[in-house]
Amino acid sequence: KAGVTQTPRYLIKTRGQQVTLSCSPISGHRSVSWYQQTPGQGLQFLFEYFSETQRNKGNFPGRFSGRQFSNSRSEMNVSTLELGDSALYLCASRYGQGKFASETQYFGPGTRLLVL
Amino acid sequence: GQQLNQSPQSMFIQEGEDVSMNCTSSSIFNTWLWYKQEPGEGPVLLIALYKAGELTSNGRLTAQFGITRKDSFLNISASIPSDVGIYFCAGQGIQGAQKLVFGQGTRLTINP
Repeated sequence: KAGVTQTPRYLIKTRGQQVTLSCSPISGHRSVSWYQQTPGQGLQFLFEYFSETQRNKGNFPGRFSGRQFSNSRSEMNVSTLELGDSALYLCASRYGQGKFASETQYFGPGTRLLVL
Repeated sequence: GQQLNQSPQSMFIQEGEDVSMNCTSSSIFNTWLWYKQEPGEGPVLLIALYKAGELTSNGRLTAQFGITRKDSFLNISASIPSDVGIYFCAGQGIQGAQKLVFGQGTRLTINP
């Protein structure tokens, strides 16, 4: 079974631009969560999508948004990029229909975003 | 953001030594997970713990879910060079929140 895939793997943007990252979950998984990883803040939860709806949200500004398609693939968008948005963006998938605490999340390799 | 307290932050050991790291929280978790991350990659799940007191092994790795549900430890026995990486603990299901809360990570370096 293929794992979680993320594209692109690396991205360089300049301040003020916007960026879209893509995540394809494990086959059969309907929940996709996004996390931001930085050396200073560690791994921080951005949001979770299930059945094309945002189900949970972390404490990030509105510049961070996402969506999910009917095939469970998800995209994350960051508008008006700032230098501090440079990070590794990870997505994780799980089935999403059971009790949250009993389901394991599997991570993709991440997209490393550098904002200049 | 909210994080678990993971220690130690880094470890420098000789090949063949045993390793122990732990995570503590002021809040109760329903699930504890241990991940390993290598440079340029996402975290890879090592062990998942679903019940307080549970002790689970995966090869040379052993992890336990603390009785109080506020802590967990991970042991690696007879370390080998490929064990190098950053190990993260993660708590899941805190107060109904549908997200993972991560520790700061333990960076493991092994001298051959």
